Amino acid sequence: EDQVTQSPEALRLQEGESSSLNCSYTVSGLRGLFWYRQDPGKGPEFLFTLYSAGEEKEKERLKATLTKKESFLHITAPKPEDSATYLCAVRTGANNLFFGTGTRLTVIP
Amino acid sequence: DTEVTQTPKHLVMGMTNKKSLKCEQHMGHRAMYWYKQKAKKPPELMFVYSYEKLSINESVPSRFSPECPNSSLLNLHLHALQPEDSALYLCASSQGLVNTEAFFGQGTRLTVV
Repeated sequence: EDQVTQSPEALRLQEGESSSLNCSYTVSGLRGLFWYRQDPGKGPEFLFTLYSAGEEKEKERLKATLTKKESFLHITAPKPEDSATYLCAVRTGANNLFFGTGTRLTVIP
Repeated sequence: DTEVTQTPKHLVMGMTNKKSLKCEQHMGHRAMYWYKQKAKKPPELMFVYSYEKLSINESVPSRFSPECPNSSLLNLHLHALQPEDSALYLCASSQGLVNTEAFFGQGTRLTVV
């Protein structure tokens, strides 16, 4: 059975304190791993697409990496405006697109 | 432009009402999705349309009825809903079903009373 697990469930950081979020997956035929940011009451905002192990993508303070079993979202020197829920999603061989449970990030000034 | 537009933003309906949620995209995407999201939970896939044909139905109750009139529009018809159906309903679109990211609308906050 396809599974996507994110950890930690919640993370509180001081402003400027770098950290990483984890997305572990077990799927039949990965056809892409995606990171999204979601603010309360809003739709998910697309951040990154990763297709193959070893791939990395960067945008401002965020960097996403991919291995054969997991993906990391590294946040460097976060600011309060980075507070949100970060979701990873995978496309499977069944052409499904389903989400992990998310990490709620709070950055304290 | 990566915009997916959903209307209405908020909807309150009684259990005997019939209502529809609408979704529109003008990115030329050929796959469109409906997701349901409860508070503090991830989005759950309901339906997927590919080239205006229903591709995936994740065992959704028949009180939810999707419709894809053309490649830019996606509707979700609601009838005889239950209070537990109250949630944020999200529409998304992607270029295709393989190896492509999906872009989401801002959602419709549905409350069933």
